[in-house]
Amino acid sequence: GAVVSQHPSWVICKSGTSVKIECRSLDFQATTMFWYRQFPKQSLMLMATSNEGSKATYEQGVEKDKFLINHASLTLSTLTVTSAHPEDSSFYICSASGAYTALDEQYFGPGTRLTVT
Amino acid sequence: GENVEQHPSTLSVQEGDSAVIKCTYSDSASNYFPWYKQELGKRPQLIIDIRSNVGEKKDQRIAVTLNKTAKHFSLHITETQPEDSAVYFCAANEGSQGNLIFGKGTKLSVKP
Repeated sequence: GAVVSQHPSWVICKSGTSVKIECRSLDFQATTMFWYRQFPKQSLMLMATSNEGSKATYEQGVEKDKFLINHASLTLSTLTVTSAHPEDSSFYICSASGAYTALDEQYFGPGTRLTVT
Repeated sequence: GENVEQHPSTLSVQEGDSAVIKCTYSDSASNYFPWYKQELGKRPQLIIDIRSNVGEKKDQRIAVTLNKTAKHFSLHITETQPEDSAVYFCAANEGSQGNLIFGKGTKLSVKP
């Protein structure tokens, strides 16, 4: 149980374009979803936290107009990287927790590798 | 906000030896401390976690200890195997939404 999927698993886009990444909880209702960014050989950095039906809470230093997060349902959250630049190239990972999962335990998606050329 | 420090950044052991990774945290309100194992290009996998109401938890070759007074917790892997080679991250929760703040990671190499 507690399976999280992400799509796509990798994407290459041109500088200036936008990319949407989907995060789905497959077998539970995700009341909270988290988006992380991980650069090579570095740790996971929390970008934002989103609750279903509410605006996302962004971490300090993360541009909310550049990284648009939508959590429209209890099983789906999307991250849109707008006007992507090469420095946005990274591994983006989502995680989810639910009302009926263990308190504070997060279940991670497989990640999306974004390359901006 | 919460700050999590993790040491060492790299650790190399011989197969069969034990490995210990240590983390400290700053927020005394944190009460959930998971450990994740991440292989290259893969998602982090929860391997063990501990909550603040206990001081130690064990699962086969893996154990975690927590010292709330000193605000540090440690991961212990006994009888290491080559397949234990990966990057290990500790984390601590923060805030009412259960945000996790991660340490910088420890790259463990187990040499056969």
